[in-house]
Amino acid sequence: DTGVSQNPRHKITKRGQNVTFRCDPISEHNRLYWYRQTLGQGPEFLTYFQNEAQLEKSRLLSDRFSAERPKGSFSTLEIQRTEQGDSAMYLCASSLPGAEISYEQYFGPGTRLTVT
Amino acid sequence: QKEVEQNSGPLSVPEGAIASLNCTYSDRGSQSFFWYRQYSGKSPELIMFIYSNGDKEDGRFTAQLNKASQYVSLLIRDSQPSDSATYLCAVIRNTDKLIFGTGTRLQVFP
Repeated sequence: DTGVSQNPRHKITKRGQNVTFRCDPISEHNRLYWYRQTLGQGPEFLTYFQNEAQLEKSRLLSDRFSAERPKGSFSTLEIQRTEQGDSAMYLCASSLPGAEISYEQYFGPGTRLTVT
Repeated sequence: QKEVEQNSGPLSVPEGAIASLNCTYSDRGSQSFFWYRQYSGKSPELIMFIYSNGDKEDGRFTAQLNKASQYVSLLIRDSQPSDSATYLCAVIRNTDKLIFGTGTRLQVFP
């Protein structure tokens, strides 16, 4: 399967613990995005990378959140000192800039985080 | 006012009918428009994108864009029970982040 992959698919953690998620984009895609989705809402943008450069971070991304894409391939999203409000589906998407003004983004299966 | 607005539904249509899903956006600088389908517990799946005024057809799906009215819609012809899902409208403005609506739940009944 050559789609976007994410690991783990599910994570249950206790409040105050740190968690790290991984995303592997489609191989030729140089843009990688992180979104968060809670029940009944659309996904909300967190951050995105072009190659290894982090180009934008949402104000939603508190200091407890950090994302990296060290070699321009896979990316990790770390949440420190998790809170119950962090419980959500964390979605990764990738895209390949084309000739047009839009960049279609393809999502991975997501990591569902539950903070108890 | 939310940047992207959708009726949460559910929109119920009989099998074989046309389902019409609507979306409005507030920022006239929005450049590109996307429709994603999301089954319960799954991630969004891209089904259509459009960036020019008018219609764009792909199989049973037609996306319609009217920038003057800040309105984008998705028509699903010959609706099937397997089309039952939440349909998310999303826009891109001057950066590449998608801004999503809350989605419209579609139910197609046999």
